[in-house]
Amino acid sequence: GNSVTQMEGPVTLSEEAFLTINCTYTATGYPSLFWYVQYPGEGLQLLLKATKADDKGSNKGFEATYRKETTSFHLEKGSVQVSDSAVYFCARSTGNTPLVFGKGTRLSVIA
Amino acid sequence: GAVVSQHPSWVICKSGTSVKIECRSLDFQATTMFWYRQFPKQSLMLMATSNEGSKATYEQGVEKDKFLINHASLTLSTLTVTSAHPEDSSFYICSAPTWDEQFFGPGTRLTVL
Repeated sequence: GNSVTQMEGPVTLSEEAFLTINCTYTATGYPSLFWYVQYPGEGLQLLLKATKADDKGSNKGFEATYRKETTSFHLEKGSVQVSDSAVYFCARSTGNTPLVFGKGTRLSVIA
Repeated sequence: GAVVSQHPSWVICKSGTSVKIECRSLDFQATTMFWYRQFPKQSLMLMATSNEGSKATYEQGVEKDKFLINHASLTLSTLTVTSAHPEDSSFYICSAPTWDEQFFGPGTRLTVL
């Protein structure tokens, strides 16, 4: 079936450190891939997405590239800030089907 | 982007009572909406797919008689938790898809005493 596996946290980084959160997906069909962010006490917000192989999604300094050969969609940011502290979810979907989420990775950035 | 609202944002109720949660797409029509449940520090689990004008489709293990879903119009889906118990306490989130993206409501935190 469809599934998403992401790196388990929690992840604690110092401000301005480099961030990578790994995400892999099952290769069923031709899914679109997403990263969502959930700040404390809030709902989910779309951070970035990619709809086909080799697409790169980017937003707020975060990037992720749709790698079909490795079935991966790793999230990266070159220099994290305290305000990036949140839970990050990798997800996939095909068409209008419901999203399948990874388990989430909690990021804490300390000054 | 499109906006999805949920009401209420939080609710506390007594065990045995029923609670209704509304999900609205504010600036677009959605023939389908999804209801998710999120336990503390866990991921979102799909509960059901709400279909306008027809019955909802429930995921395995979700009691349809306990979680009643009504998709009354192209902009409104409701989730009613019937005879709520403390184990139903959770964060409930809805989403509505457009052709290329899903938009999430802000969530409803339910606490059953």
